[in-house]
Amino acid sequence: QKEVEQNSGPLSVPEGAIASLNCTYSDRGSQSFFWYRQYSGKSPELIMSIYSNGDKEDGRFTAQLNKASQYVSLLIRDSQPSDSATYLCAVRRDFGNEKLTFGTGTRLTIIP
Amino acid sequence: ETGVTQSPTHLIKTRGQQVTLRCSSQSGHNTVSWYQQALGQGPQFIFQYYREEENGRGNFPPRFSGLQFPNYSSELNVNALELDDSALYLCASSAPPGQAPNEQFFGPGTRLTVL
Repeated sequence: QKEVEQNSGPLSVPEGAIASLNCTYSDRGSQSFFWYRQYSGKSPELIMSIYSNGDKEDGRFTAQLNKASQYVSLLIRDSQPSDSATYLCAVRRDFGNEKLTFGTGTRLTIIP
Repeated sequence: ETGVTQSPTHLIKTRGQQVTLRCSSQSGHNTVSWYQQALGQGPQFIFQYYREEENGRGNFPPRFSGLQFPNYSSELNVNALELDDSALYLCASSAPPGQAPNEQFFGPGTRLTVL
């Protein structure tokens, strides 16, 4: 079982619709959760972080965390063509273990 | 732009050679982490440096080594290069370990090709 699992996609969503990206993790000791966006040929860019159960909203992005189900998701509202990228889910144990463990990413394409 | 810089941007080496990659952290950050990202994969943690010492290491052989300098910049050295070392090498800077929220911000990366 992979430590962090994401559907590799590609996920195609019409412009203006909601894109829903999912991630599950196996380490119950994980404390911090991150979503990074990576455009082709570029480095990952942090777009959301979440540390407690529930929803966290930032503009068009909403991160959702359910530690009991070991599940974290990212919703993108009013999807734009510029949102087309690979989205990487990352988890971290904390308490002295600072490494990020990444999934393989979900490739998202927004269709105009 | 995160303020994290890396050099060089691209590098081509042959098997058996050695390479040094460099990273300067974002202002106010004194912790540097290195990751390797193979094509189509997520980044894999190599190691982290804090206060000029290694603070955690991933599943990479000893031929991957690093340094951190008093100005918080860092180097990643890879000896005896293998074809599988071809990847995007990413440096991330962050606040000291344990300091919330302690998010990691990536530099632009160095694309290493081993022939």
